[in-house]
Amino acid sequence: KQEVTQIPAALSVPEGENLVLNCSFTDSAIYNLQWFRQDPGKGLTSLLLIQSSQREQTSGRLNASLDKSSGRSTLYIAASQPGDSATYLCAVDNFNKFYFGSGTKLNVKP
Amino acid sequence: DTEVTQTPKHLVMGMTNKKSLKCEQHMGHRAMYWYKQKAKKPPELMFVYSYEKLSINESVPSRFSPECPNSSLLNLHLHALQPEDSALYLCASSQGAATGPKNIQYFGAGTRLSVL
Repeated sequence: KQEVTQIPAALSVPEGENLVLNCSFTDSAIYNLQWFRQDPGKGLTSLLLIQSSQREQTSGRLNASLDKSSGRSTLYIAASQPGDSATYLCAVDNFNKFYFGSGTKLNVKP
Repeated sequence: DTEVTQTPKHLVMGMTNKKSLKCEQHMGHRAMYWYKQKAKKPPELMFVYSYEKLSINESVPSRFSPECPNSSLLNLHLHALQPEDSALYLCASSQGAATGPKNIQYFGAGTRLSVL
């Protein structure tokens, strides 16, 4: 069964810092990897999707990379803002079965 | 419009009650999903419907009964639940596995369920 791990579990940074969140998975036979944001008690908001054939995707201040062969993805957030504070989850698509990591809880201090 | 709507937002039920959760999308998506999320844990896949047929059941107890009456609607019928079933229940939709690597999931805000 696919196992997805996210490091670190929590991160606290001052506003303006660039930061990297990590996601690793055990089964490289994936369709894609998706990064989500979840605010407390809320649903998930899709941030970026990287297809299995892609290496990188960018949206605004966010950049996600994928190294399928090594089972790793990173989410880079540039110039962090207090509004970025949330839990960030990665999920891999194993042919329509989605497995989530436990998330990284990010706190950006003003 | 990338909205997935879930009702109710909150639900409190006793262990002998029967209730239903509802999920709706109008994006023309052909795959719909139910997830269960406990506090401080990631979402866990429960069911997947593809083209209105149940394609994946992740060994969920029979007290949870999914239904997909049409391509826009997904229900989760609840009966004789236990207190440990209290959680956030999330619905998601996507274009479906036929789209392969472009299969983006869109989530609703969830139903917060408390079983007394």
